[in-house]
Amino acid sequence: EAGVAQSPRYKIIEKRQSVAFWCNPISGHATLYWYQQILGQGPKLLIQFQNNGVVDDSQLPKDRFSAERLKGVDSTLKIQPAKLEDSAVYLCASSLDAAGGEQYFGPGTRLTVT
Amino acid sequence: SQELEQSPQSLIVQEGKNLTINCTSSKTLYGLYWYKQKYGEGLIFLMMLQKGGEEKSHEKITAKLDEKKQQSSLHITASQPSHAGIYLCGADIGGSNYKLTFGKGTLLTVNP
Repeated sequence: EAGVAQSPRYKIIEKRQSVAFWCNPISGHATLYWYQQILGQGPKLLIQFQNNGVVDDSQLPKDRFSAERLKGVDSTLKIQPAKLEDSAVYLCASSLDAAGGEQYFGPGTRLTVT
Repeated sequence: SQELEQSPQSLIVQEGKNLTINCTSSKTLYGLYWYKQKYGEGLIFLMMLQKGGEEKSHEKITAKLDEKKQQSSLHITASQPSHAGIYLCGADIGGSNYKLTFGKGTLLTVNP
């Protein structure tokens, strides 16, 4: 079974530029999560999708971050414009449904904003 | 303040030694998950605990959930270099059964 795929693995941009990350969850998983993990911290949930609908985006900085999950499969997370404090690893995870249980994580995208 | 506190923050042990990592919540735990992360990689699921007093084991790793104390412990027996990494506890503390809050992690180094 293929795992959660993410791209790119690494990205370096200057502040005020925009960037987009892509995630392909495990086939058949209805729930998709985006987390931000700052160095030395645990992951922080940014947004959760159930199929193509948003379940929770309470911690998403909506003035600069946006995410979509078209057709309930792949998802993209965008930052525009980026700030220095956005430097982090962005992790995508998926689970069968939103009723709890194991979340499967992708390898993450390491973003450096200079 | 941090909702999930992990201790210790880092740990260095000699190969073959036993060790324990703790995760304490400031709120009621509705589910507790342990993950392992290696630098530059995603999180690998280890165990999920949902009931007070529950204990699970996989190979040389045992996790327990003390619901009354709002605490979980992860115990590794006879540690090996392959156990090295960052151990993260994640918990459902809102009762929603889907939104995980994570601790900061415990960095484990195992010296051969």
